[in-house]
Amino acid sequence: NAGVTQTPKFQVLKTGQSMTLQCAQDMNHNSMYWYRQDPGMGLRLIYYSASEGTTDKGEVPNGYNVSRLNKREFSLRLESAAPSQTSVYFCASSPGGTYGYTFGSGTRLTVV
Amino acid sequence: GESVGLHLPTLSVQEGDNSIINCAYSNSASDYFIWYKQESGKGPQFIIDIRSNMDKRQGQRVTVLLNKTVKHLSLQIAATQPGDSAVYFCAENPPMRFGAGTRLTVKP
Repeated sequence: NAGVTQTPKFQVLKTGQSMTLQCAQDMNHNSMYWYRQDPGMGLRLIYYSASEGTTDKGEVPNGYNVSRLNKREFSLRLESAAPSQTSVYFCASSPGGTYGYTFGSGTRLTVV
Repeated sequence: GESVGLHLPTLSVQEGDNSIINCAYSNSASDYFIWYKQESGKGPQFIIDIRSNMDKRQGQRVTVLLNKTVKHLSLQIAATQPGDSAVYFCAENPPMRFGAGTRLTVKP
């Protein structure tokens, strides 16, 4: 089925460890996004890539880096994980412009 | 500042009743609005959208109403079913911003 695939689904990290969350879409979408979702906070934009070769900061970029590897893939890296980064992370994609987003199923990350 | 918000964090309805979920927005430049449904443990799923040149749009059992005068958006679900139990988010664009969500619980 076409859509957005995220890996891993669950991860536990120790404070200071690093990891990369992977995201791939097969809908030929131009734009890709990383959000985090915390209880009562809704979805907050971390980084986005409007098109292949570009990335921009969102609302909460501190502590994260991203790479738009190609049109299909957009990864999110935590260089030195902190407990405040415990959250559920969602990747999304869209054709660009004013169109709805397609979301992945999320990665539940716990930093201890 | 500008925000996307919801009037009620929770809504409980009887199976078969109609549900209305409300959303307020403050960015008068927004011209595209979307409702998403998020079931437990899953990512948000697109339900229905509406552009600012419309005030009503209907889908299958769902209707979105847009009142630009008071910057208000609502989602109406007809004949609510247990499978409709989820958190519902409104979002405005550009840029795409999400409200905190309303949890809809359908009682059998």
